[in-house]
Amino acid sequence: QKEVEQNSGPLSVPEGAIASLNCTYSDRVSQSFFWYRQYSGKSPELIMSIYSNGDKEDGRFTAQLNKASQYVSLLIRDSQPSDSATYLCAVTVTGRRALTFGSGTRLQVQP
Amino acid sequence: DTEVTQTPKHLVMGMTNKKSLKCEQHMGHRAMYWYKQKAKKPPELMFVYSYEKLSINESVPSRFSPECPNSSLLNLHLHALQPEDSALYLCASSQIPGLKSSYEQYFGPGTRLTVT
Repeated sequence: QKEVEQNSGPLSVPEGAIASLNCTYSDRVSQSFFWYRQYSGKSPELIMSIYSNGDKEDGRFTAQLNKASQYVSLLIRDSQPSDSATYLCAVTVTGRRALTFGSGTRLQVQP
Repeated sequence: DTEVTQTPKHLVMGMTNKKSLKCEQHMGHRAMYWYKQKAKKPPELMFVYSYEKLSINESVPSRFSPECPNSSLLNLHLHALQPEDSALYLCASSQIPGLKSSYEQYFGPGTRLTVT
């Protein structure tokens, strides 16, 4: 079982819709969770961090964390074609002072 | 300011060359990272420096040699690379991670390396 799992996609949504990206992790005591956006040929860009159960909102983005179920999700409201990118979920794993990345979900927003 | 800079943007080198990648941050971060990213794969951790000391080496071949001259700079020295080492090399920085938690890592734009 991979430590951090994401559906590779592509996830295709129409412009203006809500895109929902999911991530599950295996380490029950993971503490820190991040979402990065990566455009093709570019470096990852941090868009959200979340440390406690519940929702965290920042503009059109909402991160949701459920530690009991070991999943973290990212909602993108009013999706725009410019949101088309790969979204990487990253998690801290016990005893390892570095991030573990999921394989990423490719999002396509159709105009 | 959340900027991490990397030079060069692109590098083509032969298998017998020696070259260096450079990374700089001015955010006061004391942890710096090197990652390698192949196409359609997530970043893979190579090295972590904490307070200018190497704290994690992910069993990286010795043809990759990291160096942290001061708290703002991180270098990756390359020697006798193989074609399969061609990838995007990413530098990142953060505050010092705790034992069970981490802080936001900010990535530089990367160096696209091609080994011929």
